[in-house]
Amino acid sequence: QKEVEQDPGPLSVPEGAIVSLNCTYSNSAFQYFMWYRQYSRKGPELLMYTYSSGNKEDGRFTAQVDKSSKYISLFIRDSQPSDSATYLCAMSAGHSNYQLIWGAGTKLIIKP
Amino acid sequence: GAVVSQHPSRVICKSGTSVKIECRSLDFQATTMFWYRQFPKQSLMLMATSNEGSKATYEQGVEKDKFLINHASLTLSTLTVTSAHPEDSSFYICSARHLLTDTQYFGPGTRLTVL
Repeated sequence: QKEVEQDPGPLSVPEGAIVSLNCTYSNSAFQYFMWYRQYSRKGPELLMYTYSSGNKEDGRFTAQVDKSSKYISLFIRDSQPSDSATYLCAMSAGHSNYQLIWGAGTKLIIKP
Repeated sequence: GAVVSQHPSRVICKSGTSVKIECRSLDFQATTMFWYRQFPKQSLMLMATSNEGSKATYEQGVEKDKFLINHASLTLSTLTVTSAHPEDSSFYICSARHLLTDTQYFGPGTRLTVL
């Protein structure tokens, strides 16, 4: 079993829909959770960074962490075709333990 | 802020030659930089972690003599693929850990094609 599980998709939704992307993990030591967006043939771009459990909102993006269930989510409201990309979750055990453990990435397609 | 650049963005070389890829943090200092490799439709694979002024730490299965890493300053790390072969063709991405925030910021990647 991988430490971080993420459905590779593709996930195809119509423009304007709410998108839900998820990752599950097995290591209860993870405390720092990140979502990256990667466009084709580009490096990943940090979208959201959260510590421990709870919600964090930034514009159309909301990140949720449920440590009791070992489950994290990224919600995208009012999705746009420009949101079409691969979304990767990543997590680490501590502030000084900086090695990120990555999900496989979910390919998201927003249809106009 | 927090921009990481990579050069070159794309390189094509003949089998047996060596290729150097530069990774720079443009507006912040990074004590630690990471080198990743990504195959098509796959996630990032960490190759090595490099700390400024010390030897890089390589992940299991990554040949340190083939992938030479130098981290000479707080803003520059280089990856040299020595005696490249077609199976080394891949997308190489670096990231830099922000000295103050610990967040990793990624470069745009370098596509290496070995003929």
